[in-house]
Amino acid sequence: EVLLVESGGGLVQPGGSLRLSCAASGFTFSTYWMTWVRQAPGKGLEWVANIKQDGSEKYYVDSVKGRFTISRDNAKNSLYLQMNSLRGEDTAVYYCARGRLGGPYWGQGTLVTVSS
Amino acid sequence: QSVLTQPPSVSAAPGQKVTITCSGSSSNIGNNYVSWFQHLPGTAPKLLIYEDDKRPSGIPDRFSGSRSGTSATLGITGLQTGDEADYYCATWDSSLSAGVFGGGTKLTVL
Repeated sequence: EVLLVESGGGLVQPGGSLRLSCAASGFTFSTYWMTWVRQAPGKGLEWVANIKQDGSEKYYVDSVKGRFTISRDNAKNSLYLQMNSLRGEDTAVYYCARGRLGGPYWGQGTLVTVSS
Repeated sequence: QSVLTQPPSVSAAPGQKVTITCSGSSSNIGNNYVSWFQHLPGTAPKLLIYEDDKRPSGIPDRFSGSRSGTSATLGITGLQTGDEADYYCATWDSSLSAGVFGGGTKLTVL
């Protein structure tokens, strides 16, 4: 069974940092693109970033470029999102998903709240 | 404001058919496959359609997808109250070098 489990969310002050993790199991992690998608309160889904199988290509939505870094550890079957210089508008549920856009498998999400 | 435009809401009676459109441009829908997701807030999004018109296993054939030019369409027939959810189109934007989602469409089954 394919499982994606996010962790690392929480309350952080504006300007702070947080690192999200996504533990994958049930499939050969190293053979798939992986993606982060978020949903702010009352808003729609927003694609955030993705990373190629070997980490050689990474793409980001403009609003997080220079602040967020996506990475992966294929030996640990894990995906990460390092979030720096956090802003109120980054408050959202963050989902990890398998695939370049998000495909048939998603985690349940982890809530990030940026507030003083 | 998303680069993919969807109607904010659609509604229809149980048993009826509804279509949800997703309008984009040559840099996204015009040259890349479209996926469709069903989402209930607080749950994981569910893939309904990938590569424009393909259904993952377990998705009933009541759900269909198509793409023409710079637009894509999701069709749902035999509407059920359980279909009430938010629906999103998604694709790659080659100019942005980023994934993009539509703004979402709330389906109400009256």
